[in-house]
Amino acid sequence: DAGVTQSPTHLIKTRGQQVTLRCSPISGHKSVSWYQQVLGQGPQFIFQYYEKEERGRGNFPDRFSARQFPNYSSELNVNALLLGDSALYLCASSLAGRLAGVADTQYFGPGTRLTVL
Amino acid sequence: KNEVEQSPQNLTAQEGEFITINCSYSVGISALHWLQQHPGGGIVSLFMLSSGKKKHGRLIATINIQEKHSSLHITASHPRDSAVYICAVREDYGGATNKLIFGTGTLLAVQP
Repeated sequence: DAGVTQSPTHLIKTRGQQVTLRCSPISGHKSVSWYQQVLGQGPQFIFQYYEKEERGRGNFPDRFSARQFPNYSSELNVNALLLGDSALYLCASSLAGRLAGVADTQYFGPGTRLTVL
Repeated sequence: KNEVEQSPQNLTAQEGEFITINCSYSVGISALHWLQQHPGGGIVSLFMLSSGKKKHGRLIATINIQEKHSSLHITASHPRDSAVYICAVREDYGGATNKLIFGTGTLLAVQP
């Protein structure tokens, strides 16, 4: 089975532009989480979606939005890009996303490296 | 102060050495993850712990819930173990999200 896939792998944008990043979870996984990893730091939580509903949101401005589709794939959108948005954007999928009260393993995709010039 | 602290930040070892990476956290958790990240970005989950100890090959992870501390050990280290090792916790606050809080990582370099 394929792991978590993300597209594109790399992306270069200029300030003020908009970007859409895509994630396909492992087959059977219903939960998708997005993380931002700035160079030299640990990842920071942006969003979690489960069954097309937002389950969690990190401390990010409203320029960041996401959605999940019926096939459980997900898109992360960032509007009005700033230089500080340059980062590796990671997507992680898991089976249930903690609904059962039991921690489940998150599987990470390879990431999309976004550079804002 | 970060909710998840790792030490050391950088570690250089000789091939064959026993390596320990430490993680301390300040929140109540439902699980702790050890992750490995190679240059270029991809993150691989090594362990998920909620108590005790787990072993996989040359890797051993332990957690002490009372002391809010976990360690990752690598026995007989090899240059291919060179990577960033990240500790991440899932805070237990009763919510429905599986948000992870990450440490800043430990950069390990194993020299032949």
